[in-house]
Amino acid sequence: LAKTTQPISMDSYEGQEVNITCSHNNIATNDYITWYQQFPSQGPRFIIQGYKTKVTNEVASLFIPADRKSSTLSLPRVSLSDTAVYYCLARASGSARQLTFGSGTQLTVLP
Amino acid sequence: NAGVTQTPKFQVLKTGQSMTLQCAQDMNHEYMSWYRQDPGMGLRLIHYSVGAGITDQGEVPNGYNVSRSTTEDFPLRLLSAAPSQTSVYFCASSSAGRGSPLHFGNGTRLTVT
Repeated sequence: LAKTTQPISMDSYEGQEVNITCSHNNIATNDYITWYQQFPSQGPRFIIQGYKTKVTNEVASLFIPADRKSSTLSLPRVSLSDTAVYYCLARASGSARQLTFGSGTQLTVLP
Repeated sequence: NAGVTQTPKFQVLKTGQSMTLQCAQDMNHEYMSWYRQDPGMGLRLIHYSVGAGITDQGEVPNGYNVSRSTTEDFPLRLLSAAPSQTSVYFCASSSAGRGSPLHFGNGTRLTVT
């Protein structure tokens, strides 16, 4: 299985940019790296995914270096409602569809 | 379009009882999976299916059975519940294409006493 490693927790203040990095070894060379957001008592929700370089959507950016051994989720100007757990997800090299989550990063946005 | 629907939302079992957690999706997704989430443990994959009639084990399959007789449904069966199976269970689905994100249900909170 691909092992992903993320910081357990991060604190930030409203209006700041937050970067959460995920390390992932042995991931499939032809699959995406995906990030999810989870609020208490809800299932995870898709935020963004990318294959290489940089991807941006209306809520976040994702940076993936050429070696694809890590990825960084960037949340611009966070608000209190961004307080949640963030997971990166990558498929293991050689696996069919075993999608393995890391332990997630608890982001707390402070006023 | 309901997405992924899980029932029940809450369940209390006694040790040794059996039950089935239901999961249904209306998006015609080929891939479906079950995760359990324990405090501080993130989500761990129990079983998954890449299509009707095809299932496979994830990280923590012991104590759980699955079957996939239709594209829409992917029930998870606990044959003899144990306190260690107290957890929140999430079902997820996605289409088969590369890069297709997972869609999650809202979970079933199971307590085994």
